[in-house]
Amino acid sequence: EPEVTQTPSHQVTQMGQEVILRCVPISNHLYFYWYRQILGQKVEFLVSFYNNEISEKSEIFDDQFSVERPDGSNFTLKIRSTKLEDSAMYFCASSVGGGGANIQYFGAGTRLSVL
Amino acid sequence: AQSVTQPDIHITVSEGASLELRCNYSYGATPYLFWYVQSPGQGLQLLLKYFSGDTLVQGIKGFEAEFKRSQSSFNLRKPSVHWSDAAEYFCAVGLLTGANNLFFGTGTRLTVIP
Repeated sequence: EPEVTQTPSHQVTQMGQEVILRCVPISNHLYFYWYRQILGQKVEFLVSFYNNEISEKSEIFDDQFSVERPDGSNFTLKIRSTKLEDSAMYFCASSVGGGGANIQYFGAGTRLSVL
Repeated sequence: AQSVTQPDIHITVSEGASLELRCNYSYGATPYLFWYVQSPGQGLQLLLKYFSGDTLVQGIKGFEAEFKRSQSSFNLRKPSVHWSDAAEYFCAVGLLTGANNLFFGTGTRLTVIP
């Protein structure tokens, strides 16, 4: 069964450093998403991406964040200068279509630890 | 305010016992409703969904959920829990119009004891 793949599973970085989290969505999916979950809190939406551009973003997704689809398979989340509060589990997801009724398929997540 | 609430942070049940995980939502119109499960080291896996029609929906792994409009609830149930059901369970909603993203509850961690 096709799945969303995320690498690395755990990333440790120093505050102020740049990190790139990587995702390989399911191959025929057209919509891509990033969510995060700070320990003990809700899974929160960060951004959705369609047709090589951001379709929606939350207020969390500020100028420190960027997304890119550098080739036909990868979808990346970059945090330019990490802060302690960026420590969280980051989930990538993809779906065939957009809208609330489309089933999103999630990766296993990348745990980001900012020291 | 719009929200998804899972009032139980942690539930412990004995293997073979029945299970009900609660989810309530607060949105203007009935949203699309989902339950996801996350086992250790795994991604969020869809258990079941409700869009319309029969208010009792069947999912994978023997789970079912019942939509109750009057209570704005979508509770997840399983008649007999297995040790492999130990995981984190997330209720989520998708809106009828506008946003593509899902809105999640805080999750319920299920522990199964022999």
